[in-house]
Amino acid sequence: EVQLVQSGAEVKKPGESLEISCKGSGYSFTSYWIAWVRQMPGKGLEWMGIIYPGDSDSRYSPSFQGQVTISADKSISTAYLQWNSLKASDTATYYCATVSGYYDFWSGYPRGAFEIWGQGTMVTVSS
Amino acid sequence: EIVLTQSPGTLSLSPGERGTLSCRASQSVTSSYLAWYQQKSGQAPRLLIYGASSRATGIPDRFSGSGSGTDFTLTISRLEPEDFAVYYCQQYGTSPWTFGQGTKVEIK
Repeated sequence: EVQLVQSGAEVKKPGESLEISCKGSGYSFTSYWIAWVRQMPGKGLEWMGIIYPGDSDSRYSPSFQGQVTISADKSISTAYLQWNSLKASDTATYYCATVSGYYDFWSGYPRGAFEIWGQGTMVTVSS
Repeated sequence: EIVLTQSPGTLSLSPGERGTLSCRASQSVTSSYLAWYQQKSGQAPRLLIYGASSRATGIPDRFSGSGSGTDFTLTISRLEPEDFAVYYCQQYGTSPWTFGQGTKVEIK
């Protein structure tokens, strides 16, 4: 079974660092881009960025560039989302998802929808 | 950035009725790279439609997508009790990829 399993809920204080994870199984982890999506409480979905675990090539939404770091360790089929200094506004549920489709060399982006989703990691930042 | 505007915000329908959800883009969506997702309360989103009109694996044929350019539609032919949820459209043709704000389909 193809699945993404995310790390558990976190409660942090402003200014602290955090890394959450997303482990893939049941498929070739290095062959599909992984996307990260934020959902703030009671709000909609926001695309944060993507990474290709095969070579750790990454892209970020301008809204999240410089705010988070996306990485991957292909040896353990795991992608990560990292913050150096959390803010209260980072309180949200974060999802990872596989990006299906093909790589468009002209644009430098994969062309695919978010096919398989992790269960989500709830992050609460509060003093 | 392409802004996706979904309408209506809330759709109140009875089981067995037809639901029509709209997604309008602020500029043309490249090659109909548009997807629809369903999200139930407390759950992760689920891919329903990609490429504007292709159903994802395991999605019942009561769900259909159509449209091109700037206007897209998700149709649920006969609502089942499990279809009451929030639906999001997303474009993945132009970076940054963007989502609509969602349409909630609720039981009338």
